[in-house]
Amino acid sequence: DVKVTQSSRYLVKRTGEKVFLECVQDMDHENMFWYRQDPGLGLRLIYFSYDVKMKEKGDIPEGYSVSREKKERFSLILESASTNQTSMYLCASSLTHNQPQHFGDGTRLSIL
Amino acid sequence: AQTVTQSQPEMSVQEAETVTLSCTYDTSENNYYLFWYKQPPSRQMILVIRQEAYKQQNATENRFSVNFQKAAKSFSLKISDSQLGDTAMYFCALKTQGGSEKLVFGKGTKLTVNP
Repeated sequence: DVKVTQSSRYLVKRTGEKVFLECVQDMDHENMFWYRQDPGLGLRLIYFSYDVKMKEKGDIPEGYSVSREKKERFSLILESASTNQTSMYLCASSLTHNQPQHFGDGTRLSIL
Repeated sequence: AQTVTQSQPEMSVQEAETVTLSCTYDTSENNYYLFWYKQPPSRQMILVIRQEAYKQQNATENRFSVNFQKAAKSFSLKISDSQLGDTAMYFCALKTQGGSEKLVFGKGTKLTVNP
């Protein structure tokens, strides 16, 4: 089975801090994704990557950046955390050619 | 642009009964894929079922089946013999063939199965 591991289930940070969320997959997938999930809004794509060092903006990239230095790892960075970034963050990965995405357990991030 | 609409924010069903979750979508593409994902409370999101738009036959996975109406751009999920473990958020998602690997998600339907 595909394993997508997010480094933290729960995280509490302060406004203005630089926050790193890490995601690792073990199936040599080309594509990796970061979503945020908010009640009533569903999943919204922040960024995705289709190869090492390659990235594309999703629907809500403002206030975020990403890094993919190795194929198995995709990091989401909140440059200066704000309270409106309090949310559930989901990482996913997929093979190419229209294969389904596999999700991690999620990180519930609170910005105080 | 692609959109996915789930018009039922919440639904409930009695154990062992059948329930249908609605999903409509919009795309100008002719080739695409549709998915239903399940997210149990505080647990990982998992794929329930997928449908290729070029296939006329509706996909089925055990107690889960879809009613895919391409002309109407409708993709509903039917859960038969509902079980307590089916309690979850259900998300409908669309991906066009080729191009970006992005999925477009609906806002979800919260399903509660009552004993």
